[in-house]
Amino acid sequence: EEQVVESGGGLVKPGGSLRLSCATSGFTFDTYNMNWVRQAPGKGLEWVSSISPSSGFIYYAESLKGRFTISRDNAKNSLYLEMTGLRAEDTAMYYCARELRVTVSGVVTEIAAFDLWGQGTMVAVSS
Amino acid sequence: DIVMTQSPDSLAVSLGERATINCKSSQSVLYSSNNKNYLAWFQQKPGQPPKLLIYWASTRQSGVPDRFSGSGSGTDFTLTISSLQAEDVAVYYCQQYYSSPQNTFGQGTRLEIK
Repeated sequence: EEQVVESGGGLVKPGGSLRLSCATSGFTFDTYNMNWVRQAPGKGLEWVSSISPSSGFIYYAESLKGRFTISRDNAKNSLYLEMTGLRAEDTAMYYCARELRVTVSGVVTEIAAFDLWGQGTMVAVSS
Repeated sequence: DIVMTQSPDSLAVSLGERATINCKSSQSVLYSSNNKNYLAWFQQKPGQPPKLLIYWASTRQSGVPDRFSGSGSGTDFTLTISSLQAEDVAVYYCQQYYSSPQNTFGQGTRLEIK
């Protein structure tokens, strides 16, 4: 069974740091683009960051202004998100999400829609 | 950023009736090179992560019931549930991946039973 499981969330003070982890299983992790998506309590979804299979391509939401760092360890089938300078507005459920791949006429195509999500890990930033 | 706007914000439909949710993008998400609309729909039930329903505006993800369908092109899209079931109560989101990786989501539409 394909699975992603997030961990590492918790309560942190403004200005603090936190490292989220996402353990995956059941699929060839090192061939997929992976993402972090967050959802503030009672709010909608916000894409946070993505990373290519070899970590050669890394992107962030412009609103993060360099405070977050995404990384992966293909040997451990794991994805990470290092968060620094945390603010109250970073309070959210953080989801690890895999990008969809489809085969059309024998050609594998990557689609930046997310077909596998974890249950999320909650980050609360408060004094 | 491409802004995605859904309507209505909430919707109440009777069991067995049709539910229609709209999504409008601030610019076209139609890729001229392959004539595909870079638009997805998700369903999120309380306490659960989102679930991918449809991509390329109208292609159902594997395992999604055929009562769910997507339509539209360019900037205007629709998710239709042909015959509402109790298990369809959820919040529905559209997402554009035309400007990937800077993907953006709509604000969500809450679907309830009338």
